[in-house]
Amino acid sequence: SQKIEQNSEALNIQEGKTATLTCNYTNYSPAYLQWYRQDPGRGPVFLLLIRENEKEKRKERLKVTFDTTLKQSLFHITASQPADSATYLCAPPDTGRRALTFGSGTRLQVQP
Amino acid sequence: DARVTQTPRHKVTEMGQEVTMRCQPILGHNTVFWYRQTMMQGLELLAYFRNRAPLDDSGMPKDRFSAEMPDATLATLKIQPSEPRDSAVYFCASGLVLGTGGTEAFFGQGTRLTVV
Repeated sequence: SQKIEQNSEALNIQEGKTATLTCNYTNYSPAYLQWYRQDPGRGPVFLLLIRENEKEKRKERLKVTFDTTLKQSLFHITASQPADSATYLCAPPDTGRRALTFGSGTRLQVQP
Repeated sequence: DARVTQTPRHKVTEMGQEVTMRCQPILGHNTVFWYRQTMMQGLELLAYFRNRAPLDDSGMPKDRFSAEMPDATLATLKIQPSEPRDSAVYFCASGLVLGTGGTEAFFGQGTRLTVV
């Protein structure tokens, strides 16, 4: 069955550095993949969607890559700020069920 | 500001009681999702609807969970009877899906359910 893997360990970085989060998937080839941000006590918030024919997508300080050969998406935040501290969730669609499924998320902590 | 509204925000109930959670999706959205989030399992898809028709509810324990959309402005998730293992945060999300393309999902604030 398909599997989504995100680094379960928290990522701690210094303010101003680039944060890179990884999402690996196995056993299927999603046509697109989304990234969400979740703050404690709140629902996930959509950040970016990247399609299989797009290598890279940018939005302000955010950049997402999608490598269908490696079956991996990377999520980058440049010039990180303490306000970027949150859990980031990778969400490809479940091909069989045709709905969004979510990875376990990676918690990012940006230190001032 | 269009948003998904969930009620109640918090619910504490005794084992065996019926629980109903409600969701008002964003007007114009044609897809509604129900997710459950726990520390152990993360976000799990329970059910989703397209144009009010259930497309998939394979993630729900059928014997106790049910999901409906009586009209375009209301989605409900019911648990009867509730059990302590149902304690979790339940999220509703809506989106506008056109064709086979993906769409962003807009999440509500969630209902934090505690079954004692």
